[in-house]
Amino acid sequence: SQQGEEDPQALSIQEGENATMNCSYKTSINNLQWYRQNSGRGLVHLILIRSNEREKHSGRLRVTLDTSKKSSSLLITASRAADTASYFCATDAEAGGTSYGKLTFGQGTILTVHP
Amino acid sequence: KAGVTQTPRYLIKTRGQQVTLSCSPISGHRSVSWYQQTPGQGLQFLFEYFSETQRNKGNFPGRFSGRQFSNSRSEMNVSTLELGDSALYLCASSGTGGNEKLFFGSGTQLSVL
Repeated sequence: SQQGEEDPQALSIQEGENATMNCSYKTSINNLQWYRQNSGRGLVHLILIRSNEREKHSGRLRVTLDTSKKSSSLLITASRAADTASYFCATDAEAGGTSYGKLTFGQGTILTVHP
Repeated sequence: KAGVTQTPRYLIKTRGQQVTLSCSPISGHRSVSWYQQTPGQGLQFLFEYFSETQRNKGNFPGRFSGRQFSNSRSEMNVSTLELGDSALYLCASSGTGGNEKLFFGSGTQLSVL
């Protein structure tokens, strides 16, 4: 079963606009990660935020984490056509322990950036 | 450094057959995880191996099995294939042996007819 839900399921924007995707999860976590997947390919790690962090930046990416609401958001600023992909949040879902390679993924947000 | 390599890229099988998928992790990575991705169920964890030992397992039937060799390469096997096993099977490796920053291969697209 999926740990979390992502919102929106699909997002269509113009180049240069910002894209915001949200993720909710159900259990306590050690960290939350965001991954990107181009159609039919493998996932690429974007950013990891730990449960004791509230915000993290990496290039054009900004991630926030609210553990009290069990939610996270991913902001992509100044989007480009090359950002078109599916974006997934993933949690380790076993706070205080190590779940050895197991991440629980959301259903993903399909982002389309129009040139 | 070469990335995670999965072979074959595409596979077509018929119901009742068995299949073996291969994964070569990034050099130096000892942890290999396997995931199944379908449109309906999304990404689901199958199992994780570290130094030839299975350390974690998801909720899949016993028809799904795996192993890891001394060079960290891993294989997964699905026996008695069912139509519902059609999926993209993804392998991921990690240097830490935990669940932080997994490096994924491009996957094997399995179609069961």
